[in-house]
Amino acid sequence: RKEVEQDPGPFNVPEGATVAFNCTYSNSASQSFFWYRQDCRKEPKLLMSVYSSGNEDGRFTAQLNRASQYISLLIRDSKLSDSATYLCVVTTSGTYKYIFGTGTRLKVLA
Amino acid sequence: DVKVTQSSRYLVKRTGEKVFLECVQDMDHENMFWYRQDPGLGLRLIYFSYDVKMKEKGDIPEGYSVSREKKERFSLILESASTNQTSMYLCASGRVYEQYFGPGTRLTVT
Repeated sequence: RKEVEQDPGPFNVPEGATVAFNCTYSNSASQSFFWYRQDCRKEPKLLMSVYSSGNEDGRFTAQLNRASQYISLLIRDSKLSDSATYLCVVTTSGTYKYIFGTGTRLKVLA
Repeated sequence: DVKVTQSSRYLVKRTGEKVFLECVQDMDHENMFWYRQDPGLGLRLIYFSYDVKMKEKGDIPEGYSVSREKKERFSLILESASTNQTSMYLCASGRVYEQYFGPGTRLTVT
């Protein structure tokens, strides 16, 4: 079983739609959680950290469910510019290592 | 603004050649990382370094070595390039809560 699993998609959604991605992780000792965004042929960039209480940044909301070991990303009012691959990242206490999911590809259609 | 630079965007090498990939960061980060990214496999950690002259193996270190003589520079070395090392190589630097990536080097080994 992979340490971090994501549905690869693609998720094809119309502009203005709400879309949600989930990511599951296998290590219950995982401590920190992030969503990164990667545009085609570009490097990954931090989108947002995921806190236990959940957090929101504009149209983006991230949630953590420790009991079920998954994190989620919700995008409201999708824009064409949201088209990208979204990478789920998990770290474990006491290590510098980031574990990346393989990414979920989002296409927002006009 | 954090900047991570990599020596080449595209590189073509022959089987058996020794290959050097250079990465430089300007944010005085202690931690630096080398990943490779392949379709369907996501980002996989090759090596990381948490201080000058310190290094630790990641998940796929075979066939690679690294060097960190100065804090700002982290080099990845392919001792004898093979075709299965054709990939996108991404360098990153950062602290626990965020990694900053360079633009990547697309290496083709023929």
